[in-house]
Amino acid sequence: QKEVEQNSGPLSVPEGAIASLNCTYSDRGSQSFFWYRQYSGKSPELIMSIYSNGDKEDGRFTAQLNKASQYVSLLIRDSQPSDSATYLCAVDPGEGYSTLTFGKGTMLLVSP
Amino acid sequence: NAGVMQNPRHLVRRRGQEARLRCSPMKGHSHVYWYRQLPEEGLKFMVYLQKENIIDESGMPKERFSAEFPKEGPSILRIQQVVRGDSAAYFCASSDMGDTQYFGPGTRLTVL
Repeated sequence: QKEVEQNSGPLSVPEGAIASLNCTYSDRGSQSFFWYRQYSGKSPELIMSIYSNGDKEDGRFTAQLNKASQYVSLLIRDSQPSDSATYLCAVDPGEGYSTLTFGKGTMLLVSP
Repeated sequence: NAGVMQNPRHLVRRRGQEARLRCSPMKGHSHVYWYRQLPEEGLKFMVYLQKENIIDESGMPKERFSAEFPKEGPSILRIQQVVRGDSAAYFCASSDMGDTQYFGPGTRLTVL
């Protein structure tokens, strides 16, 4: 059973702070990792993808991957109230095609 | 540059009726995925299709549910004899080469 675990939160941070969202996965053979943002009542929106160990930065977002520890994280710098949403970690098992396994998501609340 | 389209956005059915959910992938995408999100639950993979082929239906219930992606027209997720437990948000995603998936707005199914 492939699993993706996330702390459900809510994670509360003040505006301007760094938000750190974490995710662990069970399938050691997983190849691709994604972070999606989902506002209440809306569809998931792709934020970041990461495939190799290390950091990947895109604007205020940094994804970090450690395959040895089966751990992936998302850092949001200078958090804004508009970042308040549920962040979903998704893992591609890498079986030749992509069917994502999602965590249940971490709710982030950024207070003004 | 139209994204993934789904219709209807909201669907109400009585128990025992049929529900048909439609998904048109992004232009140029030939891979379609269906996910279900139950209230307070994570996204769960249901089925992965390419044109005229079901690639992976391991996440789809064996009874009452079926999916197709014909040569022409949208992908269809069909739920026969709906029950209250089928009430959920159903999301379609599409990808180009079977990697990064982009989600549609979803269909919210309510079974009375």
